[in-house]
Amino acid sequence: EVQLVESGGGLIQPGGSLRLSCAASGFTVSSNYMSWVRQAPGKGLEWVSVIYSGGSTYYADSVKGRFTISRDNSKNTLYLQMNSLRAEDTAVYYCARGYSLVLPFDYWGQGTLVTVSS
Amino acid sequence: QSALTQPASVSGSPGQSITISCTGTSSDVGGYNYVSWYQQHPGKAPKLMIYDVSNRPSGVSNRFSGSKSGNTASLTISGLQAEDEADYYCNSYTSSNTYVFGTGTKVTVL
Repeated sequence: EVQLVESGGGLIQPGGSLRLSCAASGFTVSSNYMSWVRQAPGKGLEWVSVIYSGGSTYYADSVKGRFTISRDNSKNTLYLQMNSLRAEDTAVYYCARGYSLVLPFDYWGQGTLVTVSS
Repeated sequence: QSALTQPASVSGSPGQSITISCTGTSSDVGGYNYVSWYQQHPGKAPKLMIYDVSNRPSGVSNRFSGSKSGNTASLTISGLQAEDEADYYCNSYTSSNTYVFGTGTKVTVL
């Protein structure tokens, strides 16, 4: 059974850093497309970043240069390193598995809340 | 990376059919058949309903169908049921090697 469990969210001051984790089971992270998607309180979904099976990474303009997506194959875990956090980064962050460009987000985690506030 | 445009809300009575539109550009929806749709109930994670414009994953009711014409994709829910009341989002791959979601549509079953 495919499972994705996010962790690492919390309250952080503006300008601070946080690393989110997404532990996967039931499949191999390195063999799939893995993405982060966020949702600000009361707002819609926003795609954040993807790491393809070959290792290529891409980012939304809103986080480029501040966020870094990575994976640890030995731990079958996806990460999102978030630096220079801003109030507008406050959101629930979901990790999602993809199989191809045709099927980018077929399984989702339950999400972890990041609150950026002083 | 502007969000794809969806109507804010759509409503229908049980048993009726409704259609949600998703309008983008030739750099996203119009340029690729990589359009997918997601259902999200309050406080829950999104759920994949349609991928590759019109394909349903295993376990999704055949009351849900998708299509695309030019820069606009559509999700149709036929035989509307109370459990279909949720938010719906479209998504497309883009020419910048990124993805973009729609603005979201709240479906209300009257």
